[in-house]
Amino acid sequence: EVQLVQSGAEVKKPGESLRISCKGSGYTFTSNWISWVRQMPGKGLEWMGRIDPSDSYTNYSPSFQGHVTISADKSVTTAYLQWRSLKASDTAMFYCARHPQGYSYGPIFDYWGQGTLVTVSS
Amino acid sequence: QSALTQPPSASGSPRQSVTISCTGTSSDVGGYNYVSWYQQHPGKAPKLMIFEVSKRPSGVPDRFSGSKSGNTASLTVSGLQAEDEADYYCSSYAGSSSLVFGGGTKLTVL
Repeated sequence: EVQLVQSGAEVKKPGESLRISCKGSGYTFTSNWISWVRQMPGKGLEWMGRIDPSDSYTNYSPSFQGHVTISADKSVTTAYLQWRSLKASDTAMFYCARHPQGYSYGPIFDYWGQGTLVTVSS
Repeated sequence: QSALTQPPSASGSPRQSVTISCTGTSSDVGGYNYVSWYQQHPGKAPKLMIFEVSKRPSGVPDRFSGSKSGNTASLTVSGLQAEDEADYYCSSYAGSSSLVFGGGTKLTVL
C-alpha cells in the first residue's frame, strides 16, 4: 500500500528554523516526484515546488523560491521541506503529494500525506 | 503567476447537476491540456478527481466529469449526493515547470 506519512505538528517562534518530513513507503521512492503544497488557515491550495528523489533535482514556484528548501534522502525514502527563518505568515498546513510515474510535471497528485500543521507565533 | 479563478461557492439539490468553472489564461489553462480537479473534505487531504482535463482516476464515480473551452476548465458533478459536499480545487500546468491552483469552490448539497 502506497503511503506518504508526514511528521507531526510543530509550534515555532518567528526566526526559528524548521524541517518537516514526508516518508514514502509501499512503492519505489525514486520513481515518483514529490511536491509540497501549502494551505493557509481557511484558504486554498498553493503549489510550492517539487523534487525528483532519484537525483534531488528541484523546481520551485516563483512565490516560494528562496523562502523554503525542498530536499530528499532516498536512503530513508523521505522528502523534506525546510525553513531557515520562520515568519508568522508561514503558519499553515503543509502537504506532500506524489506525482504518478510519467506525470512528473503535470498537476497530478495521486497520493497525499496527511498534512503537517506548522504554527509560528511569538 | 496568479491563482486560477473559481467561484467561491456553488450549490445544488440531491440528484441535480452542478458545474464549477476554473478560469485562467493562455499561459496555463488555455495553453495545455493539463488541468486537474481535487476534492477536499474538511480536515482531510485533497483527493484527485479529474486529470488531463477529462480523465478520471480509477475509483472516481463517473458522476464527475471535466471539460475545457479556451481558458476555462469546468468540473461537472451529476446526480449530486450528500457526500459530494466539499471544497473543489482546479490546478493547471503553467509553463516553465510550474503549477498553479485555483482559489477553491465550496460545493453545498442543499
